Parts: sequence; C-alpha cells; structure tokens
Amino acid sequence: SAVISQKPSRDICQRGTSLTIQCQVDSQVTMMFWYRQQPGQSLTLIATANQGSEATYESGFVIDKFPISRPNLTFSTLTVSNMSPEDSSIYLCSAFPYEQYFGPGTRLTVT
Amino acid sequence: QKEVEQDPGPLSVPEGAIVSLNCTYSNSAFQYFMWYRQYSRKGPELLMYTYSSGNKEDGRFTAQVDKSSKYISLFIRDSQPSDSATYLCAMRYNQGGKLIFGQGTELSVKP
Repeated sequence: SAVISQKPSRDICQRGTSLTIQCQVDSQVTMMFWYRQQPGQSLTLIATANQGSEATYESGFVIDKFPISRPNLTFSTLTVSNMSPEDSSIYLCSAFPYEQYFGPGTRLTVT
Repeated sequence: QKEVEQDPGPLSVPEGAIVSLNCTYSNSAFQYFMWYRQYSRKGPELLMYTYSSGNKEDGRFTAQVDKSSKYISLFIRDSQPSDSATYLCAMRYNQGGKLIFGQGTELSVKP
C-alpha cells in the first residue's frame, strides 16, 4: 500500500471563496483520483489526474469549478472554486496503482 | 437505476451477532470488488479486496462475490461495538479504473 496524505484536514470557508486541497503520495504514481462525499452520501469520482496532461472530469463536474493540478508524480491539488454551501463535503484522493486506498480526506464546510 | 445498489440501513445488531451486508450491481463487466469501513468523520478504510468470483476471508470478515447473480456480500462474525461504522461496497471494471460505490450501510453493534 501507499501512504496518502491530504492538507488541510478540514476547513470552514465563506461562500464565494476558493479552497485548494493538496494530496501527497509517498510513491510515484501514474494516475491520481479525486472523489467527493457529500453529507450522508457515498463517494463520487470528480476527476482523474495524469501527470503532464489535462485532468479528465466525470459527468457533472467541470474544470472551471474544480481545477486540478498535477505537477509531478507524487502530488496533486484540487481547487473548489466560488464555493456555495452545496460544496460542503469530504474531498478524498487516491492514486493508481493504489487506487483502493484513500487519503484521510478534507472536510469542507461552506457557510 | 444506479450501477451499484446497497441498502442504506441503518442496521442494528447485538454484540456477537453475525452481520451480513450486501450489494447488487447491474454491469457484468465489473471485475474488482471492495468493501470499505468508514467511521464517522473519517476517510474510508479498505477492508476486503477481491477479484472476480469467490470467497475471501480475513479474520472475522468474509467477502463473497457471485458474478452470476451480480451480488456481493460481506459477513462479519462475532460482531463488536467497534465494528459500528458505515460499510461501503465498491467495484471497478479494470486496474486503474474509477471506483463505483454503493450508498453505504450504517451498522450499529450494541453491547
């Protein structure tokens, strides 16, 4: 398995602002995945990020709202832009070939 | 119809009971099957990981996959209060593919 860490672990943000979440893996990986878990719901994939190329977004998620960076083989960021209370969720990352393992998550509350 | 269906519960059992958690799915192309445990305010923790059909046992946990029926199960023997959590099933088509999650079943084990 790999060790996946995320920062911040939690944050409370105001409507209309943006938050960047970091994901760090202790091994070089090809793909990184960002998931969202809304309150009381299951996990939904937001996008897949490959190093050196644009992220691939799932239906219902767009780059303007959730821009992703993947500057190297161990690191990725997800930005939640122009936040609204509906963005209050836990955001989680995972990475191939360890995609069954998740980071601890970032708990975001938008007020 | 969702690709993966899971009874959300909640499910309440006495300590020492055998717990059966189930998921059904619609797409026969799924090859990899997982069960996660998620404690409140934490990220999901991988419990069991199986490929194709069959059984896998790990301590008090047994995972079963019946691809002919498109049905997977997780059994917990001698359940403990510490098993109280939400259990999520997940599956994917191939290595490196995205995970499709069930809704999660909330389990409470009463002392």
